[in-house]
Amino acid sequence: GAGVSQSPSNKVTEKGKDVELRCDPISGHTALYWYRQSLGQGLEFLIYFQGNSAPDKSGLPSDRFSAERTGGSVSTLTIQRTQQEDSAVYLCASSLVTGASTDTQYFGPGTRLTVL
Amino acid sequence: AQTVTQSQPEMSVQEAETVTLSCTYDTSESNYYLFWYKQPPSRQMILVIRQEAYKQQNATENRFSVNFQKAAKSFSLKISDSQLGDTAMYFCAFGDYKLSFGAGTTVTVRA
Repeated sequence: GAGVSQSPSNKVTEKGKDVELRCDPISGHTALYWYRQSLGQGLEFLIYFQGNSAPDKSGLPSDRFSAERTGGSVSTLTIQRTQQEDSAVYLCASSLVTGASTDTQYFGPGTRLTVL
Repeated sequence: AQTVTQSQPEMSVQEAETVTLSCTYDTSESNYYLFWYKQPPSRQMILVIRQEAYKQQNATENRFSVNFQKAAKSFSLKISDSQLGDTAMYFCAFGDYKLSFGAGTTVTVRA
């Protein structure tokens, strides 16, 4: 079946503008995650959604970052008033059931965000 | 805080030979999971292998195997019979639903 999809693949924006990044998880996966990968670095956890539970936002770097998940499926990560340090690849992942570590996280191809 | 350290930024290996990637981590938890992910230039993160901390037996997946030393908090990945398609960045990850990742090791397989 289809994997995790993300759009756009690449996004170039000007400093101060808002951007929205979209993630479509694997059908049936109840857990969804956002990570950020800065150039040459590992992934940094941002936020986690599981079913109807309150999301774990502990990884969001500032209040300019927010995310929502509509209908338990598609998720949008919004960055307001973008800064140059927001430039990175934003990766989305989804997993089955509870999102516990026993559930493998399947990643999308990411969105490369460049803030000029 | 949970940290993951990959001390080898780059590794090069001849096709058909074996390469071992190191990973150490720090945690106060007793039950956890560890993962190795592969990221080719396409950016797609692909799970290579995973290990449950409560299992003493090292995980294997075809040409990929791990050496898990819980007391030493070490989790190395061995790639046997390396193939050109193994060229990628490899990330060690650890945790529960919030994975902590190392900085990665770039593996280049030479023909």
